[in-house]
Amino acid sequence: EDQVTQSPEALRLQEGESSSLNCSYTVSGLRGLFWYRQDPGKGPEFLFTLYSAGEEKEKERLKATLTKKESFLHITAPKPEDSATYLCAVQARSGNTPLVFGKGTRLSVIA
Amino acid sequence: GAVVSQHPSWVICKSGTSVKIECRSLDFQATTMFWYRQFPKQSLMLMATSNEGSKATYEQGVEKDKFLINHASLTLSTLTVTSAHPEDSSFYICSARDVSGGGETQYFGPGTRLLVL
Repeated sequence: EDQVTQSPEALRLQEGESSSLNCSYTVSGLRGLFWYRQDPGKGPEFLFTLYSAGEEKEKERLKATLTKKESFLHITAPKPEDSATYLCAVQARSGNTPLVFGKGTRLSVIA
Repeated sequence: GAVVSQHPSWVICKSGTSVKIECRSLDFQATTMFWYRQFPKQSLMLMATSNEGSKATYEQGVEKDKFLINHASLTLSTLTVTSAHPEDSSFYICSARDVSGGGETQYFGPGTRLLVL
């Protein structure tokens, strides 16, 4: 069974304090790993797709990396507006399968 | 990025009435759309996969007759909550799969908050 585990559940950072969020996964053939950001009361906002181990993608203060077992979302010098829940999801290679989501990491960045 | 819209953004209805929620992909065609519900401080719960021109595939425990899904075109899927009751109150979010450009990414709508009185 495809599974995604995110850690930590919640993370509190001071503004400027860099850190990483973890997404461990097991999947029967990875088609893609996805990172989303969700603000309270809104739908998830797409951030990155990673397809193969070794791949990295960056967007402003965020950088996503991928290995064969896990993905990291690195946040460099975060700002309060980076506070949100970050969701990781995987899609298996076989068929038209839906994404399997982790429970998310709630990030709070304090000024 | 691609845009997915939902309408309405919130709705309040009386118990026993039916509510229809629309999900549109605005700048791409989506043969596959998904419907989720989300409870406060919890992750997304997949309800069903909506395929254009065919019947939706429901997740275990989701009542097909309660949550009617129609995917009549490549840009529109609708979710109708029939005979809504207070326990159906939730945040409903749709997403659409974009396979153009060689990649495959799922974009989400802004969500619809349903309150059944």
